[in-house]
Amino acid sequence: KQEVTQIPAALSVPEGENLVLNCSFTDSAIYNLQWFRQDPGKGLTSLLLIQSSQREQTSGRLNASLDKSSGRSTLYIAASQPGDSATYLCAVMYSGSARQLTFGSGTQLTVLP
Amino acid sequence: GAVVSQHPSWVICKSGTSVKIECRSLDFQATTMFWYRQFPKQSLMLMATSNEGSKATYEQGVEKDKFLINHASLTLSTLTVTSAHPEDSSFYICSASNPAGGPDEQYFGPGTRLTVT
Repeated sequence: KQEVTQIPAALSVPEGENLVLNCSFTDSAIYNLQWFRQDPGKGLTSLLLIQSSQREQTSGRLNASLDKSSGRSTLYIAASQPGDSATYLCAVMYSGSARQLTFGSGTQLTVLP
Repeated sequence: GAVVSQHPSWVICKSGTSVKIECRSLDFQATTMFWYRQFPKQSLMLMATSNEGSKATYEQGVEKDKFLINHASLTLSTLTVTSAHPEDSSFYICSASNPAGGPDEQYFGPGTRLTVT
């Protein structure tokens, strides 16, 4: 069964810290991996999309890496701010999945001022 | 570009009634739309894949007679929850695939919160 796992489920850090969120997937045959942000009661905001052929993507203070051979991705957030507080979801589009995304359970991040 | 809207953003209905949720791609044509359900403090679970002009493909455990999906045009898909019950209360999110923007990226709507009383 193709699954996506995120660790930790929740994380609380003081403002200014750098932090890493982890995502693991069970099958290395993927089209892409995407990181989303979700604020309470809201929809999804796409943060970074990494294609299967890529190793990492960067946007501002965010950097996402992809290691297909080990089935892992990390989302690195530099100099965290209280406004970064949200749930971060990792989603994988597995090959042959007809473009369907498999979501992890998310990491709830709280950045304390 | 690549904006997806949903309507309504929230709805409260009585048990036994039906509710229709719309998902629109505003500035692109979406050959494929996806419907997800999210329960509190849980992740998104795919309900069905909707292709324009054809029947939707439902995930295992999703009742196709209860969750009716129509994708009659390249910019609109609808999800109708028939004979809703309190256990159908959830956050429903759609996404649309835009081939012109890349073969495999999905754009998500803002979600619809359904409460069945």
